[in-house]
Amino acid sequence: RKEVEQDPGPFNVPEGATVAFNCTYSNSASQSFFWYRQDCRKEPKLLMSVYSSGNEDGRFTAQLNRASQYISLLIRDSKLSDSATYLCVVNDNAGNMLTFGGGTRLMVKP
Amino acid sequence: DAGITQSPRYKITETGRQVTLMCHQTWSHSYMFWYRQDLGHGLRLIYYSAAADITDKGEVPDGYVVSRSKTENFPLTLESATRSQTSVYFCASNLPGQGDEQFFGPGTRLTVL
Repeated sequence: RKEVEQDPGPFNVPEGATVAFNCTYSNSASQSFFWYRQDCRKEPKLLMSVYSSGNEDGRFTAQLNRASQYISLLIRDSKLSDSATYLCVVNDNAGNMLTFGGGTRLMVKP
Repeated sequence: DAGITQSPRYKITETGRQVTLMCHQTWSHSYMFWYRQDLGHGLRLIYYSAAADITDKGEVPDGYVVSRSKTENFPLTLESATRSQTSVYFCASNLPGQGDEQFFGPGTRLTVL
């Protein structure tokens, strides 16, 4: 079983749609959680950190459920520029290491 | 330029050859990392370094060698390249205690024929 699992997609949505991605992690001792964005043939970049209380950054909302070991990312009012792969990332607090999910690909259509 | 850079950006080599991928960062980050990214596997950690002269294995270290004589450089060497090492290689760095975010270089696309 992978340590961080995501639905690979692709999710094909029209502009303006709301889309949600989910992620599960296996290490209950994990301490930090992130969503990274990766554009085609580019490097991953931090989109947002995920906090226990949930957090929002503009059209993006991240939620963490420690009991279920589940992380989510909600994107409202999708833009064409949101098309990318979204990586769920977990820091299990073992020496500053990050574990990456396989990514969920989003394609926003006009 | 400030940031994290990788060279070469693209490399084609043959089985059995030695290849070195370079990574350079200007932030004086203590930690540096090497990942490979393959379809179906996502990003996997090859090696990491907590400081100059301190390196340790990640998830998939076999066939790779690293060194870190200076804080800003973290070269990755494939001692005898194999076709299974065809991949995109990303270098990253971070400074623990400043949000845990890792900053990635632009990647090196390596093809082993």
